Amino acid sequence: DIQMTQSPSSLSASVGDRVTVTCRASQGISNYLAWYQQKPGKVPNLLIYDASTLQSGVPSRFSGSGSGTDFTLTISSLQPEDVATYYCQKYDSAPRTFGQGTKVEIK
Amino acid sequence: EVQLVESGGGLVQPGGSLRLSCAASGFTFSSYAMHWVRQAPGKGLEYVSAVTSNGGSTYHANSVKGRFTISRDNSKNTLYLQMGSLRAEDTAVYYCARSADSSSWFLGYWGQGTLVTVSS
Repeated sequence: DIQMTQSPSSLSASVGDRVTVTCRASQGISNYLAWYQQKPGKVPNLLIYDASTLQSGVPSRFSGSGSGTDFTLTISSLQPEDVATYYCQKYDSAPRTFGQGTKVEIK
Repeated sequence: EVQLVESGGGLVQPGGSLRLSCAASGFTFSSYAMHWVRQAPGKGLEYVSAVTSNGGSTYHANSVKGRFTISRDNSKNTLYLQMGSLRAEDTAVYYCARSADSSSWFLGYWGQGTLVTVSS
């Protein structure tokens, strides 16, 4: 099975900082990658699909890039409401595995 | 408005069984693949099971294979997860989720979740 590895597992940044989260697949998955945001105590929410397509309603400070095995989620200017855990998920084929998550906090 | 409402969670003893349901509304249920995702307390998301729109094909994670069965009733707009031989490590919030569109496998809509606790 293809493994999905996120890094870092947690980070702390200041409001307005540029934040980058990485997701690496153990084998190529083309661009079949989604990113989800889960705020504390809330249900996960789709942010990005097809590696770089922003879901409707998601603020433009979020962006995604990558293809094959290496992917990135970027928050261009971190806001207090972005405090959350972010998960990547591969969906090229079963198993549609999630990464282990990256917890983003405000410094 | 898409709505997914899970039910059936609760406290069950190790080795016991439970059936989760997910009532769907606000969309044509029979057009979408459906999924179960779980999250153990304080842990990350684990993809558990999926079923195609017509119920003809299913997937179960290795961790639940042979113990859990996903199914759907398109006439009732309801998704199910039959859980058996439950273990302490199955304790989690179980989310029902819908594919974002009729041809995709990423998760566009999530229910609020139902808590399953396996304990004696």
